[in-house]
Amino acid sequence: AQKITQTQPGMFVQEKEAVTLDCTYDTSDPSYGLFWYKQPSSGEMIFLIYQGSYDQQNATEGRYSLNFQKARKSANLVISASQLGDSAMYFCAMSEGGNKLTFGTGTQLKVEL
Amino acid sequence: SQTIHQWPATLVQPVGSPLSLECTVEGTSNPNLYWYRQAAGRGLQLLFYSVGIGQISSEVPQNLSASRPQDRQFILSSKKLLLSDSGFYLCAWSVKPTGFFSGPNSPLHFGNGTRLTVT
Repeated sequence: AQKITQTQPGMFVQEKEAVTLDCTYDTSDPSYGLFWYKQPSSGEMIFLIYQGSYDQQNATEGRYSLNFQKARKSANLVISASQLGDSAMYFCAMSEGGNKLTFGTGTQLKVEL
Repeated sequence: SQTIHQWPATLVQPVGSPLSLECTVEGTSNPNLYWYRQAAGRGLQLLFYSVGIGQISSEVPQNLSASRPQDRQFILSSKKLLLSDSGFYLCAWSVKPTGFFSGPNSPLHFGNGTRLTVT
């Protein structure tokens, strides 16, 4: 069974608009972490944001926020005020009992003028 | 500050040839180290991880092996490459998890990757 599911293979958003990238996860471990990474066409993986399973508040980092709904097992990434430079592949990932990240299949985001 | 170096950036190798990819980390000690592979248009698959010198855990059976001869050096190897070994290989490091209640909270920091084409 998939531990991390990203159901949107591709998304389009207008510049300056907000966009939500979906991520659902599956775990029975009460202690886990959720991460989002950005991969531009150059290939490097850029860490964006982290949410711990015990964190009471949704994580935010600049224009990135994580909409964490524990009961639904979802950890959607919200990017506000999209910029052309946000066009990239976005990966959701989860760690359980350590730092071995399990990645989803990714969402390709394209920001348009 | 911490940096991670991975080389080479691209590599084209014939089937049956050996492979050695090297990764080094600077600015930290006793990191966890990882090798991931990304097939074209796909997510990342964990191949190996290491929590210390000489300690290697393999996640999937395959034609590859890993070694950690020094604290901040991680090497991915193969004796004989297969066509299916083609892909984008990423090395990563993290600090060890801290805190019982904080859970696994250390992000992985990735190198720039090696694009391997086996012909």
